Amino acid sequence: EAQVTQNPRYLITVTGKKLTVTCSQNMNHEYMSWYRQDPGLGLRQIYYSMNVEVTDKGDVPEGYKVSRKEKRNFPLILESPSPNQTSLYFCASSLLFGINTGELFFGEGSRLTVL
Amino acid sequence: QQQVKQSPQSLIVQKGGISIINCAYENTAFDYFPWYQQFPGKGPALLIAIRPDVSEKKEGRFTISFNKSAKQFSLHIMDSQPGDSATYFCAASATLNFGNEKLTFGTGTRLTIIP
Repeated sequence: EAQVTQNPRYLITVTGKKLTVTCSQNMNHEYMSWYRQDPGLGLRQIYYSMNVEVTDKGDVPEGYKVSRKEKRNFPLILESPSPNQTSLYFCASSLLFGINTGELFFGEGSRLTVL
Repeated sequence: QQQVKQSPQSLIVQKGGISIINCAYENTAFDYFPWYQQFPGKGPALLIAIRPDVSEKKEGRFTISFNKSAKQFSLHIMDSQPGDSATYFCAASATLNFGNEKLTFGTGTRLTIIP
């Protein structure tokens, strides 16, 4: 089954404790991206990756890191989480965006609470 | 700066009625306008999309109307059903340098269809 898998789905942590949210896709997609969803603000892009070893900042990258060492994986790293990073996070993937823009496939989300 | 403005924030429609959600954009370079549907506890999923070379696209009960001169596009759901109750996001993207793209989402509309 074609899917984007995120882990963990739910996490409660404390300020300053490093954490990683993993994302994996099995569709051989070049493009992957992380979004955060907050009430009244919609989906905002954190980072995206056009391919292995190619990453770029989205609209709200502060406090986050990403890496793309393999095509299928795109982990989101919070080095020192703060309460304002409490949010619902989505990973998404697609065939390479370009002139023939394709569909974004989303994971089921990771709800993070930072105390 | 919000590049895609979506309204209303929430909408209640009676079963069988027409649901209308509106979006406006400012960036004239946008050339792809998808709508995503999100059910509670799930990630968003592509519902329907349009490019600016057409003014309307219809798929079943869902229609996108596009007004290039006004820089507005809207989603119409005909014969709305309780199963359509979800959050709807409009989005837009532009082909940037060498085919790179970033999808910008609206803030979302929570649609509730009442019997």
